[in-house]
Amino acid sequence: DAGITQSPRHKVTETGTPVTLRCHQTENHRYMYWYRQDPGHGLRLIHYSYGVKDTDKGEVSDGYSVSRSKTEDFLLTLESATSSQTSVYFCAISEGGHVGEQYFGPGTRLTVT
Amino acid sequence: AQTVTQSQPEMSVQEAETVTLSCTYDTSESDYYLFWYKQPPSRQMILVIRQEAYKQQNATENRFSVNFQKAAKSFSLKISDSQLGDAAMYFCAYGKAAGNKLTFGGGTRVLVKP
Repeated sequence: DAGITQSPRHKVTETGTPVTLRCHQTENHRYMYWYRQDPGHGLRLIHYSYGVKDTDKGEVSDGYSVSRSKTEDFLLTLESATSSQTSVYFCAISEGGHVGEQYFGPGTRLTVT
Repeated sequence: AQTVTQSQPEMSVQEAETVTLSCTYDTSESDYYLFWYKQPPSRQMILVIRQEAYKQQNATENRFSVNFQKAAKSFSLKISDSQLGDAAMYFCAYGKAAGNKLTFGGGTRVLVKP
């Protein structure tokens, strides 16, 4: 199994509070991704990173920011959480290039009340 | 933008029987990858099978095989000799070659009856 951990695994927070989710990898892969999973929508890309300090937006980036100061860590921040951000969040990693496949962390269930 | 469509929200199969999951995608690219991921109740996303668009031969991994029809933009997954442990959500995903991003379908839930 790819060495990917996410923390916390579960979190309940109130509307308007800031939340940071952490993804940590031990594979030294260049690419890291944050997805959210909601019923009927599969996984949707929030942000991704193609190197330290290099990030780009995905299809559902509004309300989220990311940072990557080290190869192994990719942080997802909700500056002011809203109920619509209640979801399961997955981190993924990839070697990139012509490899294609991504490997996923265990997920974080976030509930915004 | 690429889209991936899984038209079957749920499929049911008898243990030891075969089930086929459908996936269609939309792209103007000629070089790309297609994947099937499995998500059991544990929530972990597990790569099941991978297909490169430039390969005409259909990929196979043990009891899992695909039917890749490039012209029709269709990528179905066949699970043979279904086992109780195959019960899960299955997601089809598309990735442009060297694009490094995946687009996922909405998923198909597979139920396996003993």
